[in-house]
Parts: sequence; structure tokens; C-alpha cells
Amino acid sequence: QQQVKQSPQSLIVQKGGISIINCAYENTAFDYFPWYQQFPGKGPALLIAIRPDVSEKKEGRFTISFNKSAKQFSLHIMDSQPGDSATYFCAASGQRTNAGKSTFGDGTTLTVKP
Amino acid sequence: SAVISQKPSRDICQRGTSLTIQCQVDSQVTMMFWYRQQPGQSLTLIATANQGSEATYESGFVIDKFPISRPNLTFSTLTVSNMSPEDSSIYLCSVGGAGNQPQHFGDGTRLSIL
Repeated sequence: QQQVKQSPQSLIVQKGGISIINCAYENTAFDYFPWYQQFPGKGPALLIAIRPDVSEKKEGRFTISFNKSAKQFSLHIMDSQPGDSATYFCAASGQRTNAGKSTFGDGTTLTVKP
Repeated sequence: SAVISQKPSRDICQRGTSLTIQCQVDSQVTMMFWYRQQPGQSLTLIATANQGSEATYESGFVIDKFPISRPNLTFSTLTVSNMSPEDSSIYLCSVGGAGNQPQHFGDGTRLSIL
């Protein structure tokens, strides 16, 4: 049973546009929601994360929006740049679920065209 | 954040052989995780390696196929045994994630089986 569903699978955005990636989770025990960015030939690296006590977190051009009642969270990349082209994974974990291990979405391949 | 080094970074192996992947962390950690990432797919947890105890394997992964060693708090190895083309994948070492903290990943080992 997949506990974190991510969409879209791939996304093409023009430079300067807004990239939006969505995730939905099922387990209400999750209480930590990170996003990871992975470039080809590299491992995933933390981009930004949110806890369910806030509805939004912004770091530079990257924003997480969190809807606890809908069990959904999304990543918004403002003013998308070609250097943002990468694969993005959402994840969820909880201190009292699955021994704290993260559950990952299937990933979204973002291409930003110049 | 932890710095994780994996060796080898890539390898091409013959069917039926085995390969041992090494993971070195620059700080002492209790748990180390081994993931598999098949082309264009998400991260699948293979096992959790605790120092001083047997590794804990996820459903679908067995010790005979993926033996793991954890001799100290900064090092672990994953062996992919009796390899077949289906084992062609990226294998990632990771630490962190407990207490709602982000996970840190190595850059992975890209394994191709002929």
C-alpha cells in the first residue's frame, strides 16, 4: 500500500514560470514532510521541509503549502530556472510510525526550458 | 549535516557474481539505511543496519541476497549477491530521519549487470 502519492510524474515549465508538485498522504500519524531534490548522478538532498503545525513554509523561491484536513502538501517553485531541472521527491515520516522511517513519493522529473 | 561517501560510484558486473558496496559516514550514527532506486523510479528501502545487531530487512528483500555488515558506527557494506540483470539499479546509503530529521544520502552506486 503506497502511503504517499505524488503527481505529476513529469513536468515541463518555461524559465520564469511556476512549478507545482503535489503529494497526498494517508497515514495521519505522519508529522514531518520533507521534499528532496535529486540531480543526475547524485543522491537526493533535502530541499525544504514542513511540520503539520504550519500551513506554509517558504525558503527563497521554494514554498511548501500544507493542508492537514485534506492530507495534501505541495511544492511551489517560483521563477523556475533551468538549474532547477531535477527529480523531486516528497516524503513523509512520523515518530510513531514505521520506526520513524520515511515513505517516499514516486518522484517528479522537472524540466525547466530556457 | 552528515557527509556520506559510497564506493564504488558505478560498476558493470557479470551475471552470477557479487558486489560489495561500501558506505562511510563522517560522524557516528546509530542507524544506516540502504535503498534501491531503479531507473526513473522512487526510493525503495532494502534494510536498516544497526551497529551491533542484525540488519532489519523490508518485505521483498532477504539477507541471502543482500547481506549487510555494520562493523562500527561510521561504516556499513551492502553486498548484492548472485546478480542478475534485474539487480541493475542505483543503490543508496542514507543516515538520519529519526526524530523527524531529514535523511542524508550518499551519491549512490550505479550498478549494471550484463
